[in-house]
Amino acid sequence: GNSVTQMEGPVTLSEEAFLTINCTYTATGYPSLFWYVQYPGEGLQLLLKATKADDKGSNKGFEATYRKETTSFHLEKGSVQVSDSAVYFCALSDSQGGSEKLVFGKGTKLTVNP
Amino acid sequence: SQTIHQWPATLVQPVGSPLSLECTVEGTSNPNLYWYRQAAGRGLQLLFYSVGIGQISSEVPQNLSASRPQDRQFILSSKKLLLSDSGFYLCAWARGPWETQYFGPGTRLLVL
Repeated sequence: GNSVTQMEGPVTLSEEAFLTINCTYTATGYPSLFWYVQYPGEGLQLLLKATKADDKGSNKGFEATYRKETTSFHLEKGSVQVSDSAVYFCALSDSQGGSEKLVFGKGTKLTVNP
Repeated sequence: SQTIHQWPATLVQPVGSPLSLECTVEGTSNPNLYWYRQAAGRGLQLLFYSVGIGQISSEVPQNLSASRPQDRQFILSSKKLLLSDSGFYLCAWARGPWETQYFGPGTRLLVL
């Protein structure tokens, strides 16, 4: 079945460092890809998404490009801030068997120190 | 604009007691609705989803159940809680299949 694999955390960075969180997927067809963020004690929020190959999603300085050839959707940010500390989830839309759901990775916890 | 509410925010329940968590959505009609559980160190697990009133699909076998008595109301229930039911329960809605999901603030459940 469809699945998402993202890098194990936790990830700890200093403010203004470059961030990459790797995400690869296995899917039949052409899923949409998402990054969600969960700040401490809160629900998940959509960070960005891409619906087809070579699309780049971007928001709040974060970017991710839908790479069909490498089945990847890595999240990047050039200069992280303390306020970016959160858990980040990669997800894909799963259309197998007529179900209507997103498949999430296990999440990567990011801590940014001042 | 659309908003999603969940309550209670926090709940502490003894083993064997019943459970009822409620989720409501405002500002949209006929949404897809979802219940997830986030247990410590286990990521996000889809429990149930619903595409309409009275239509519930279960993703994993468990002692939980879900109901959708009204278009924008989704309820998660249990007759007898287990210790393993502890976790953070998230409700989400979407306009349609495979669309962006919007999450509520969550309910933190501790079963003792």
